[in-house]
Amino acid sequence: EIVLTQSPGTLSLSPGERATLSCRASKSISSSSLAWYQQRPGQPPRLLIAGSSSRATGIPDRFIGSGSGTDFTLTVSRLEPEDFAVYFCQHHTISLWTFGQGTKLEVK
Amino acid sequence: QVELVQSGAEVKKPGASLRVSCKASGYIFRDYYVHWVRQAPGQGLEWMGWLNPNSGGTDYAQKFQGRVAMTRDTSINTAYMELNKLTSDDRAVYYCARGGPRTSLVQSYPMDVWGQGTTVTVSS
Repeated sequence: EIVLTQSPGTLSLSPGERATLSCRASKSISSSSLAWYQQRPGQPPRLLIAGSSSRATGIPDRFIGSGSGTDFTLTVSRLEPEDFAVYFCQHHTISLWTFGQGTKLEVK
Repeated sequence: QVELVQSGAEVKKPGASLRVSCKASGYIFRDYYVHWVRQAPGQGLEWMGWLNPNSGGTDYAQKFQGRVAMTRDTSINTAYMELNKLTSDDRAVYYCARGGPRTSLVQSYPMDVWGQGTTVTVSS
């Protein structure tokens, strides 16, 4: 089973700054099987990025996914107030969808 | 618009069974997989399994095999998740989520639309 480890656990930044979130897989995975989600308090997750780098419908271009192999990154280029939330990476493969433990992006 | 609307909050006793419904609208229900994911209080996300609404085929996470059943009623565009033998560890918010098209490999797509969640409390 692939384990996804996200870092940091909490990231404290100010609006307008750049956020860099990491997701590391315990073994090399296909880039096409890595997704990112955003979850605001009291809300369901929202798909941001599919296939490691493709923005989902309606997602602003300040959200940028990248990476390959075992190391993947979600960058938020200029933080807006609504971006402060928890972010999860996910690996999807046959018979198993696994999530990272999440990174909380909080206002500094 | 594409929407998944789940049934309301539930309070169950240990040992009881749970059934959560997920009604789809805005797309052809039969044409997309439906996943179920849960989230314990303050915790991360845990995948439980998927349902092919067209065929009724399912695949469950190993942890839940023997205790979960995912079914559907295509006449009302609704998916169901039933979980038996509840314990306090099953206290969570349960989500349904749309997966990829059934004409493709289920593992090729993430979950693009989510229900609002159903809060389940297990308490004696």
